[in-house]
Amino acid sequence: EPEVTQTPSHQVTQMGQEVILRCVPISNHLYFYWYRQILGQKVEFLVSFYNNEISEKSEIFDDQFSVERPDGSNFTLKIRSTKLEDSAMYFCASSLQGTQPQHFGDGTRLSIL
Amino acid sequence: AQTVTQSQPEMSVQEAETVTLSCTYDTSESDYYLFWYKQPPSRQMILVIRQEAYKQQNATENRFSVNFQKAAKSFSLKISDSQLGDAAMYFCAYRTNYGGATNKLIFGTGTLLAVQP
Repeated sequence: EPEVTQTPSHQVTQMGQEVILRCVPISNHLYFYWYRQILGQKVEFLVSFYNNEISEKSEIFDDQFSVERPDGSNFTLKIRSTKLEDSAMYFCASSLQGTQPQHFGDGTRLSIL
Repeated sequence: AQTVTQSQPEMSVQEAETVTLSCTYDTSESDYYLFWYKQPPSRQMILVIRQEAYKQQNATENRFSVNFQKAAKSFSLKISDSQLGDAAMYFCAYRTNYGGATNKLIFGTGTLLAVQP
């Protein structure tokens, strides 16, 4: 069964550095999402992306965050200048259509030192 | 704004027994979807079951079934004949179904299910 894949599985970064989290959605899916889960807290929506543009973003998704689909397969989340509070598990998801179930990747654990 | 509440941080069940995980939600909408996702340790979240709010019949997927009480805004998950592989974090989630306004999932805090051999 097709899967959403995320790399790396664990990223350790110094505070203030830029980080890029990578995702390969399921190939025929059209809608892409990023969520995050701070340790011990609930999974929170960050952003959704469709037709090469952001379709919705949460208040968490400020100017430090950006998303990109640089080619036909990858979907990336960039954090420009990381803060300690960005430490979390970041999940990528994709869906065939917006109303279809979202399929999640394994997540990237981001640790900011 | 919609909220999802899972009041049981942890649950435990004996292998082959039945367990019910609770979920309540708050919304003013009448058309929406509810989901249960399973997240095994260090693994991806997998969709277990989903329920459309306008369907009165409770959804069932093999050993997994839900008890959807729309008026009470309750959406519990029943796992029958529990297996060791059912041990995981279970998340309840909500998504509106209004004209593509948003597709984001709103999650509860999760219930960690342990299955005892």
